[in-house]
Amino acid sequence: NAGVTQTPKFQVLKTGQSMTLQCAQDMNHNSMYWYRQDPGMGLRLIYYSASEGTTDKGEVPNGYNVSRLNKREFSLRLESAAPSQTSVYFCASSGTGAPSGANVLTFGAGSRLTVL
Amino acid sequence: RKEVEQDPGPFNVPEGATVAFNCTYSNSASQSFFWYRQDCRKEPKLLMSVYSSGNEDGRFTAQLNRASQYISLLIRDSKLSDSATYLCVVGAYGGATNKLIFGTGTLLAVQP
Repeated sequence: NAGVTQTPKFQVLKTGQSMTLQCAQDMNHNSMYWYRQDPGMGLRLIYYSASEGTTDKGEVPNGYNVSRLNKREFSLRLESAAPSQTSVYFCASSGTGAPSGANVLTFGAGSRLTVL
Repeated sequence: RKEVEQDPGPFNVPEGATVAFNCTYSNSASQSFFWYRQDCRKEPKLLMSVYSSGNEDGRFTAQLNRASQYISLLIRDSKLSDSATYLCVVGAYGGATNKLIFGTGTLLAVQP
């Protein structure tokens, strides 16, 4: 089925370890995003890529890096994990066109990360 | 004041009931409005966009009140399968996706 696929679904890290969350979409979308979701808070944008070859910081970029590998793939890297990065991470993508069309996000199933 | 505010609930309603959620936003320049649905431990999925004239999709009706800066979602004839968290999403500046602001969600529990 077409959509957004992200891996891994679950991960436990120790403080200071590094890891990369992978995301791929097969909808030919130009824009891709990484969000985190924490209890009592709305989804917050970490980084986004409006098109292949570009990336920009979102609301909470500290402690993360991203790579837009090609049009399909957008990865999120934690270089030195901290307990504050324990969260559920969602990758999303969107197409272009009318503003409302560009804003409709398709999300991946989420990655639950625990940092001890 | 949060940019997008929702009553977290939970709203506990019996099957067949009508339930309404409101969401207020602080930025009067907001241009796009959406309701997403998120099932427990799943990803958010678009339920419906909200247009100035209001719009309806089956049992779901969304309204926008720009003067009072709120959007609403009405669910008629609630089903058990409607149990989920409903996220209000507001585009803060002219539709640029990076400016979408998510509310914390309203939890709906439909009881048999």
